[in-house]
Amino acid sequence: DAGVIQSPRHEVTEMGQEVTLRCKPISGHNSLFWYRQTMMRGLELLIYFNNNVPIDDSGMPEDRFSAKMPNASFSTLKIQPSEPRDSAVYFCASSLQNNREKLFFGSGTQLSVL
Amino acid sequence: GNSVTQMEGPVTLSEEAFLTINCTYTATGYPSLFWYVQYPGEGLQLLLKATKADDKGSNKGFEATYRKETTSFHLEKGSVQVSDSAVYFCALVEYGNKLVFGAGTILRVKS
Repeated sequence: DAGVIQSPRHEVTEMGQEVTLRCKPISGHNSLFWYRQTMMRGLELLIYFNNNVPIDDSGMPEDRFSAKMPNASFSTLKIQPSEPRDSAVYFCASSLQNNREKLFFGSGTQLSVL
Repeated sequence: GNSVTQMEGPVTLSEEAFLTINCTYTATGYPSLFWYVQYPGEGLQLLLKATKADDKGSNKGFEATYRKETTSFHLEKGSVQVSDSAVYFCALVEYGNKLVFGAGTILRVKS
């Protein structure tokens, strides 16, 4: 079975550029989560969706960050404009809404903003 | 709010050594508790869980017991292997809300 699929695996960009990270959740899962992982802050929840609807975006650090889920099989996290402090590993995870305890994580996107 | 505190790493052990990674939590009610593991270059995977006081979660030789009196959920393994080298995250969820993760503890096992 395919797990959570994220792309790209690695992204290197220059400050000020737009960055788009992509996620395909496990088929049938109706909750989707975006996390950011850094050495300083550990694993932070940025936003999560239930049935394609954003439920809690309180973890989104700034207006430069936005996330969408146009359908049940696709989500994007966009940073515009990007800054060096956005450099981190970004994880997408999915779960069944009635089993929020067990998240399935993708392999992450390592973002470097120069 | 809910929070999880883990011991700082990295923890470096020789093969077959005994492992303990401490985890304590703060919650308003009765959360479910979890350990997730992250192998190099991969996302997190659920390792084990416990849903009520005195429950013991176990998997792949790892164990953790839900201690309500000490608000702890320490991870233990009797004999670690090189393949256990990873980052371990303690986490909790309450009332079906979002998972709250600790900062993670790096484990390095040397042969």
